[in-house]
Amino acid sequence: NAGVTQTPKFQVLKTGQSMTLQCAQDMNHNSMYWYRQDPGMGLRLIYYSASEGTTDKGEVPNGYNVSRLNKREFSLRLESAAPSQTSVYFCASSSRRSSYEQYFGPGTRLTVT
Amino acid sequence: DAKTTQPNSMESNEEEPVHLPCNHSTISGTDYIHWYRQLPSQGPEYVIHGLTSNVNNRMASLAIAEDRKSSTLILHRATLRDAAVYYCILNNAGNMLTFGGGTRLMVKP
Repeated sequence: NAGVTQTPKFQVLKTGQSMTLQCAQDMNHNSMYWYRQDPGMGLRLIYYSASEGTTDKGEVPNGYNVSRLNKREFSLRLESAAPSQTSVYFCASSSRRSSYEQYFGPGTRLTVT
Repeated sequence: DAKTTQPNSMESNEEEPVHLPCNHSTISGTDYIHWYRQLPSQGPEYVIHGLTSNVNNRMASLAIAEDRKSSTLILHRATLRDAAVYYCILNNAGNMLTFGGGTRLMVKP
């Protein structure tokens, strides 16, 4: 099993550009999450999806949109990137039975200039 | 959400036990105590969790104070691969984890 995969690994955007971060999991998990981690800080939840077809805002949703494409895939879209969105983005997933145990992907390092 | 307080950093010698403390004086009765760790340049990794009783697994032990206002993550024999940031997190809603600053553990050979 690959676990949680994220693409791309690195991305540089100019202010105002848009992009979509992709995340997929092969563990048949119901719940998926997007976090961001700024330098020297802990992770903050952007959005999560408790099950296919549902999404909910986390702590810092402004400037982002998400799509739960199917049970495996959960994408994060930046419509108009800003320098404040420079961060490392982590996707995670968890099962309904063990929702406390989240499995994280390797992260996408995004720089907005 | 109830808040946790952890030391910013700790040092340990290789092959010695490490006790990582966490204070959570405003914990509610339904909050579980979770520990995650984040190795350099990786995503966080689940370590252990508990509610009231002490817990053991293959990675670590979790000791929870009787009043639940503090807990300690115990690594029985630290290795160089245990150098990471350790996060103590309270959670009762299942889905939302709130990561604080964590404790950066440095392991000396």
